[in-house]
Amino acid sequence: DADVTQTPRNRITKTGKRIMLECSQTKGHDRMYWYRQDPGLGLRLIYYSFDVKDINKGEISDGYSVSRQAQAKFSLSLESAIPNQTALYFCATSDWEPETQYFGPGTRLLVL
Amino acid sequence: GDSVTQMEGPVTLSEEACLTINCTYTATGYPSLFWYVQYPGEGLQLLLKATKADDKGSNKGFEATYRKETTSFHLEKGSVQVSDSAVYFCALRMGTSYGKLTFGQGTILTVHP
Repeated sequence: DADVTQTPRNRITKTGKRIMLECSQTKGHDRMYWYRQDPGLGLRLIYYSFDVKDINKGEISDGYSVSRQAQAKFSLSLESAIPNQTALYFCATSDWEPETQYFGPGTRLLVL
Repeated sequence: GDSVTQMEGPVTLSEEACLTINCTYTATGYPSLFWYVQYPGEGLQLLLKATKADDKGSNKGFEATYRKETTSFHLEKGSVQVSDSAVYFCALRMGTSYGKLTFGQGTILTVHP
C-alpha cells in the first residue's frame, strides 16, 4: 500500500461549491503539506502543519482552509471553488528533518 | 525572495543520449538543493540532493553538483533510458525554513527508443 494516499484522485465541481480533498499517511510523520501544481509554475505551498495543533499558511493560502484531524490525516478545503483553482493538488509528509518530502499521487481538480 | 529557474522544456532525446537539465537559483543564504522526479500519474519523488557547496548528489545514474559560484545545480545523466521519461523539478530549501521547498517550474523529459 502507498505511504501517502489522496482522495479523490479526480474531481469535477462547479463554481461556488465547497469541496474537500483528503490526505492520509502511514509513515508516522508529524509534518504534512499541501501544494498545488500549475503548468509552468512548479509546485506552490498552500498550507503546512507540524503537528495536530500547529497549522500554518503557505504562500498561496487565500481561498483555502485545512484541517489536521489526526497525525495521519490532513484535509484541504475549498470553501467556494472558483475556476482558477483548477489545478493538480499534492499532499506531502516529512519527518523532523524535512530534507525529504514524500508525496501522494495527487488530486486533479477541475472547477467549471 | 528565493527562487529556482529551470531550463525551458520539453526535452526530447533518443535512448542512450546525454542529458543536461539546467537549474539556477536565487537565495539570500546557502540553501540545500534537490532534484525531484515525477513519473506519469504519480507524485514527486526525491531523486538526489546536496546540502553544501561542491557537494555532488547522485542516484540512478543521475548526478548534480552544487556550484555556489554560479548558483547552479544542473542535472546530468550520461545515457538516458525510456524509463527516465518524466517531469524533473529542481528545488531549494533554506536552512532556517520550516521545511518549505521552493520549486522550479519543472522540465518534461521524453526519451524515445
